[in-house]
Amino acid sequence: AQRVTQPEKLLSVFKGAPVELKCNYSYSGSPELFWYVQYSRQRLQLLLRHISRESIKGFTADLNKGETSFHLKKPFAQEEDSAMYYCALDTGNQFYFGTGTSLTVIP
Amino acid sequence: EAGVTQSPTHLIKTRGQQATLRCSPISGHTSVYWYQQALGLGLQFLLWYDEGEERNRGNFPPRFSGRQFPNYSSELNVNALELEDSALYLCASSVGQASYQPQHFGDGTRLSIL
Repeated sequence: AQRVTQPEKLLSVFKGAPVELKCNYSYSGSPELFWYVQYSRQRLQLLLRHISRESIKGFTADLNKGETSFHLKKPFAQEEDSAMYYCALDTGNQFYFGTGTSLTVIP
Repeated sequence: EAGVTQSPTHLIKTRGQQATLRCSPISGHTSVYWYQQALGLGLQFLLWYDEGEERNRGNFPPRFSGRQFPNYSSELNVNALELEDSALYLCASSVGQASYQPQHFGDGTRLSIL
């Protein structure tokens, strides 16, 4: 069963517009969720994680246990945000990644 | 600090052969994870090693195996290669079994089966 779902393979927004990348998960325990990002010609790297409740590069993500979602949001998209974004679930002994969303910010 | 390094960058094999992929974690990291990323799919968890022990494995057949050495580097072995094993294999490392530590990824090994 797919544990992490990212419904959008591709997402395009204009510079300065708000952006939301969707992530839904399936797990009955206490989830630990992450967003990873891969910029062009770079390796996959951590963007942010739920437990830290931090904002990185203007991005935030709130865990909604009722909706089992962990959507990534940014109020004003920048061109340098264009990248591949992966949502990931860590259950403590298994690791699940979504299929990724390719974000393009149009100048 | 040096990041996670993987070798080789590319590997070409034929069906039925065996492949060995290698990974060196970041210094001080004791956990190593292996993932398969086939075309159009997300990262599929393969194996997790920590302190030399296999901690867990994903839903892959036994012909996918590996080990972790005393210096925490790791090998992934794939026996009896099949066409569908063609994929990017990513290795990641983290500081260990401390709860929910972020993983640091290498650039991957591209395995092509002819």
